[in-house]
Amino acid sequence: QVQLQESGPGLVKPSQTLSLTCTVSGGSINSGGGYWNWIRQHPGKGLEWIGYIYYSGSTYYNPSLQSRVTISVDTSKNQFSLKLSSVTAADTAVYHCARGRTLVDYWGQGTLVTVSS
Amino acid sequence: EIVMTQSPATLSVSPGERVTLSCRASQSVSSNLAWYQQKPGQAPRLLIYGASTRATGFPARFSGSGSGTEFTLTISSLQSEDFAVYYCQQYNNWPLTFGGGTKVEIK
Repeated sequence: QVQLQESGPGLVKPSQTLSLTCTVSGGSINSGGGYWNWIRQHPGKGLEWIGYIYYSGSTYYNPSLQSRVTISVDTSKNQFSLKLSSVTAADTAVYHCARGRTLVDYWGQGTLVTVSS
Repeated sequence: EIVMTQSPATLSVSPGERVTLSCRASQSVSSNLAWYQQKPGQAPRLLIYGASTRATGFPARFSGSGSGTEFTLTISSLQSEDFAVYYCQQYNNWPLTFGGGTKVEIK
C-alpha cells in the first residue's frame, strides 16, 4: 500500500517561499506510473491542482501558478518537493501530495500552511 | 481552463434515501470525469473514473453517469458512512480542474 506524507513549515511569512516535501513509502517513486502531484485545498473550498513531476524530472504546472512554482524529485530518498515563491494570504491552504497523472489514486493526508506575518 | 460546477453545494439527506449529485463542465470533457469522496480530516479518495467506473473498494450503491458536459453521481441508498464531501474532476484538458464539492450531510 503506497503512503504519502507531507512535511514542512506550517507558517510562512508573506513574500517568502513555501517549501514542502512529500515522502513516499510502500512503493518506489519510480513506479506506479511515476507521476506525483501537489494539490491544495483552500479552507472550506474546493481543490486546486498545482502541478506534477514525473520521476525522471519532467514537470507540468498549473498556468495560474506556473511563475511561482517549482516541483523537484529526489529518487534516492523517495521524495518529491514543492516550492511556491512570493506567497500571500491567498496561498493559505491544506497542501496534499498525491500520485497519478490524470486520476489521483493515492493522496497524502495534507498539511495546513498558513501565510501570515 | 475548464470550470467544473457542482450542485447543490449541500444536500441534507436521511439514511436510506437515494441521492443524486450533479457536475457540469464549461466545455466537453468527453467521459474523462472522476468523482472523489472526502470525509472530515481525511484525504480525498477516488470513487469513480471514466464517468461511470467504480474504483476499488466502493460498493455498487455508488454509480456515475453522463458524458460531455453533464454528469451525475448517484448513491442508491445512503448509508451512514457515505456522509462526506464529493468532488468531481475533469482530466480531459490541462490543467486538471475540480468542482467546488457537494457536502452530503445528515438530515
